[in-house]
Amino acid sequence: SQQGEEDPQALSIQEGENATMNCSYKTSINNLQWYRQNSGRGLVHLILIRSNEREKHSGRLRVTLDTSKKSSSLLITASRAADTASYFCATDGKSNNDMRFGAGTRLTVKP
Amino acid sequence: DSGVTQTPKHLITATGQRVTLRCSPRSGDLSVYWYQQSLDQGLQFLIQYYNGEERAKGNILERFSAQQFPDLHSELNLSSLELGDSALYFCASSATDRDEETQYFGPGTRLLVL
Repeated sequence: SQQGEEDPQALSIQEGENATMNCSYKTSINNLQWYRQNSGRGLVHLILIRSNEREKHSGRLRVTLDTSKKSSSLLITASRAADTASYFCATDGKSNNDMRFGAGTRLTVKP
Repeated sequence: DSGVTQTPKHLITATGQRVTLRCSPRSGDLSVYWYQQSLDQGLQFLIQYYNGEERAKGNILERFSAQQFPDLHSELNLSSLELGDSALYFCASSATDRDEETQYFGPGTRLLVL
């Protein structure tokens, strides 16, 4: 069963705009990771945020984590057409050994 | 390129058949994970191996099995295939079995069961 749930399911924006995707999860976690997947291809790791961290930056990516609300957000600033992909959050739970993925947000950036 | 390789890239087979998917982890990685991604179920964790031993089990059917060999490559065996097994199967690897390790994903094997 899935742990994370991303919203929105789909997001369409213009190049240069910011894109914000949210992820909610159900159980306590050790860390949360965001992955990107181009259509039908492997997942690429973007960023990991630990349960004791609140915010993390990597280039144009900003991730926040609110463990009290069991939610995380991924912000992509100054989006580019090449950012078009599906974005998944994955949680590493404290009570299980497996990493669980949400259904993903499909981001389309129009040139 | 993540350094994780999977073969074959595509596989078409019939119901009732058996297939084997192969994964080679990144050089030096000891953990291998298998995932299934289907349209209606999203990305589902199947099983993890660490240094040749099963470490964690997820939503893996009894018809499915996996193993990790001494050279650390892994195979996922799918038997008595059903139409619903059509999916993208990903393998990922990480350096250790620690929770915080980043998993690096292969390109996937697309399985179509007719």
